[in-house]
Amino acid sequence: KAGVTQTPRYLIKTRGQQVTLSCSPISGHRSVSWYQQTPGQGLQFLFEYFSETQRNKGNFPGRFSGRQFSNSRSEMNVSTLELGDSALYLCASSNGQAQETQYFGPGTRLLVL
Amino acid sequence: KQEVTQIPAALSVPEGENLVLNCSFTDSAIYNLQWFRQDPGKGLTSLLLIQSSQREQTSGRLNASLDKSSGRSTLYIAASQPGDSATYLCAVRRLYNQGGKLIFGQGTELSVKP
Repeated sequence: KAGVTQTPRYLIKTRGQQVTLSCSPISGHRSVSWYQQTPGQGLQFLFEYFSETQRNKGNFPGRFSGRQFSNSRSEMNVSTLELGDSALYLCASSNGQAQETQYFGPGTRLLVL
Repeated sequence: KQEVTQIPAALSVPEGENLVLNCSFTDSAIYNLQWFRQDPGKGLTSLLLIQSSQREQTSGRLNASLDKSSGRSTLYIAASQPGDSATYLCAVRRLYNQGGKLIFGQGTELSVKP
């Protein structure tokens, strides 16, 4: 089975721009979660989508949004980028059951200048 | 509020040594705990998942234990190798329906010297 894929792998944007990141889960997985990783804050949960519905949300401003399509692929959007949004963005997929392992993609490294 | 702490933040050992990484959490109402490995600039690789009803899990040279009542988990690595060098992260999922939400520790950066 192919693993979780994320595109693009690297991205450079300037302040004020917006960005869209994509995540394709493992085939058959219905849950996709997004995390932000920075040296100072570590890994922080952004949100989770399950069957096209947002099931959980972390403590991030409304500039961070996401969606999930019928094929379980998910996109994350960040509007009005700030320097502090520079981070590694990771997505994880699972079947959506609480007892199951989450499988992570390689991440998208975003640099905001 | 659930907080996860990993000590030490960094660890350097000679090849062949057995070692223990520690993870503690403040709220014992967890559903499960997962250990991950992260290589520099890469994503996370799942190592072991322990359900709240379990005491330990083993995979090859790795053994993870869970003591929910004391809020602690350990990851034991036997006969360490240079290829084990990476950052090790533990993450907990809370008891009630939190779906995909994992709460992570800050990680332990392990260096195994040849």
